[in-house]
Amino acid sequence: LAKTTQPISMDSYEGQEVNITCSHNNIATNDYITWYQQFPSQGPRFIIQGYKTKVTNEVASLFIPADRKSSTLSLPRVSLSDTAVYYCLVGPRDGGYNKLIFGAGTRLAVHP
Amino acid sequence: EAQVTQNPRYLITVTGKKLTVTCSQNMNHEYMSWYRQDPGLGLRQIYYSMNVEVTDKGDVPEGYKVSRKEKRNFPLILESPSPNQTSLYFCASSLSWGVLGEQYFGPGTRLTVT
Repeated sequence: LAKTTQPISMDSYEGQEVNITCSHNNIATNDYITWYQQFPSQGPRFIIQGYKTKVTNEVASLFIPADRKSSTLSLPRVSLSDTAVYYCLVGPRDGGYNKLIFGAGTRLAVHP
Repeated sequence: EAQVTQNPRYLITVTGKKLTVTCSQNMNHEYMSWYRQDPGLGLRQIYYSMNVEVTDKGDVPEGYKVSRKEKRNFPLILESPSPNQTSLYFCASSLSWGVLGEQYFGPGTRLTVT
């Protein structure tokens, strides 16, 4: 079961690129990496998912090095509305549903 | 609109008084789960269900019960609530098994047990 480690909090300013790194040293071969975003008083929302190299969608990019022991969520040109908690989730592709664990997350504050 | 609904959104109760938090999804998802969220601890899974009549414990199941008699509904039952169950609760559903299944979360139920 891969344990994840993220920074507790980060600060940024509008228009900047934000990179949040997640460490998962004992990631298993069949584990995927998923990121969720949570606004205050709302349920988490899926952002992006990947297995290796780079994945990009309309919201973010996910960079995963070859050893897969870490991953970086990149948010381009953040705005105030990106202020939220971001969770890194590592879990198996098939089965093991009960092993999904959300850590404490990274609280991102975007300032004007 | 695809969504997960929870009721009630807010609940204040007293120790020992049985309560049920309902959860319903309209996406025909097979997989549903309950989480609780506490400051500094992130989200912790309570119970999950892989299909009708199939449920299993998550990481923090003590003091909770669930049932899955219909595909769309997955109620969370607290038979004898205690103050340490004061928390923010989320129901979630997903189409696929494992982490590949994007989870859709409900709006949350804030429970206070006095």
